[in-house]
Amino acid sequence: QVQLVQSGTEVKKPGASVTVSCKAAGYTFANYGVSWVRQAPGQGLEWVGWISPYNGDTKIVQRLQGRVTLTTSTSTAYMELNSLRSDDTAVYYCARDVVVASGARFMDYWGQGTLVTVSS
Amino acid sequence: DVVMTQSPLSLPVILGQPASISCRSPQSLEYVDGNTYLTWFQQRPGHSPRRLIYKVSNRDSGVPDRFSGSGSGTEFTLKISRVEAEDVGVYYCMQGTNWPVTFGQGTRLEIK
Repeated sequence: QVQLVQSGTEVKKPGASVTVSCKAAGYTFANYGVSWVRQAPGQGLEWVGWISPYNGDTKIVQRLQGRVTLTTSTSTAYMELNSLRSDDTAVYYCARDVVVASGARFMDYWGQGTLVTVSS
Repeated sequence: DVVMTQSPLSLPVILGQPASISCRSPQSLEYVDGNTYLTWFQQRPGHSPRRLIYKVSNRDSGVPDRFSGSGSGTEFTLKISRVEAEDVGVYYCMQGTNWPVTFGQGTRLEIK
């Protein structure tokens, strides 16, 4: 069965960087993209970005461009967020998604989420 | 960005009664391939979002048939025919037609 397993809780100081991983199983990793979505405490869902393991294409939400880097390796997707601020405190989710940027997004399977806390 | 607007934001429902959530987009969500990429997610307390409905009205595997989606263009609806206790949580609509992906604010369903 399709599974996305994310790395564990992180606590970081303002200005630091964090990397969250998302290991995929149960499907051919290169045939699907990975979207990242975050949820601040008590808030709604905010799309962060998307990457295609097939061709390396990425899209990042404008307000996080320059601070977010998305990469992949064999069956694992990574999200790096730099220059952390307190308002980056959130649960970060990965989700299986479309493989090419010209396709529409569908996010059918989600990881369990990774809590990133930014605090001095 | 396409701002998705849900209503109501809070939905108290008596067990066994129906429930309905509206989701509106300021522009048509029909994609170049002719499909409309409007998705509904359920997020139970303490859990990841779970996809319920994709392309407006297609139920995901394992989703009870009391959940149904409808709509077209800019107006969409999620209906629960008879609410059960396990349906408590927050429901989000999402448009996947345009970049960036955007979500509605969420509708919190509770048992009255």
